[in-house]
Amino acid sequence: KAGVTQTPRYLIKTRGQQVTLSCSPISGHRSVSWYQQTPGQGLQFLFEYFSETQRNKGNFPGRFSGRQFSNSRSEMNVSTLELGDSALYLCASSLEGGPSSYEQYFGPGTRLTVT
Amino acid sequence: AQKITQTQPGMFVQEKEAVTLDCTYDTSDQSYGLFWYKQPSSGEMIFLIYQGSYDEQNATEGRYSLNFQKARKSANLVISASQLGDSAMYFCAMREYRGGSYIPTFGRGTSLIVHP
Repeated sequence: KAGVTQTPRYLIKTRGQQVTLSCSPISGHRSVSWYQQTPGQGLQFLFEYFSETQRNKGNFPGRFSGRQFSNSRSEMNVSTLELGDSALYLCASSLEGGPSSYEQYFGPGTRLTVT
Repeated sequence: AQKITQTQPGMFVQEKEAVTLDCTYDTSDQSYGLFWYKQPSSGEMIFLIYQGSYDEQNATEGRYSLNFQKARKSANLVISASQLGDSAMYFCAMREYRGGSYIPTFGRGTSLIVHP
């Protein structure tokens, strides 16, 4: 079974631009979560999507948004990029996201650099 | 206050020895889950072990075991017979039920280096 895939793996953008990252979950998984990892703040939860609906959201500004498609693939978008948005963005999928499917499988991440 | 505290920024262990990575948590919920993940230098997070708050037995997965002490709110990871490939960052995480699903909070991590 193929794992979680994320594209692109590396990205360099200029401050003020916007960016879209993509995540394809493991086949059959309906929950997709996004995380931001930085040296300063560590690993922080961005949002979770389940069956095309955002089920939960972390403490991030509205510049961070996402969506999920009917095939469970998910995208996250960051508008008006700031230098502080430079980070490793990780996507994780799980069957349901509930208490009975606690295992999350992570993708390799997208390394975003904002200059 | 931090929800997940990992007090050891770095740990060193000799190959084939056991090592304990500390994790304490803070929650007022009765139902929650505790996790440990490994992150090698490649960046991918690898799920290691899970402990539910109602589980009475300590979780074990191969060489990994979770020393769960609920009253002390600690969930230490024990790695037995360390291998060179265990060198990585290790993250403790807790998932609490919020707004319809379980939201994770991660600790800052412990860097483990296994010496030959």
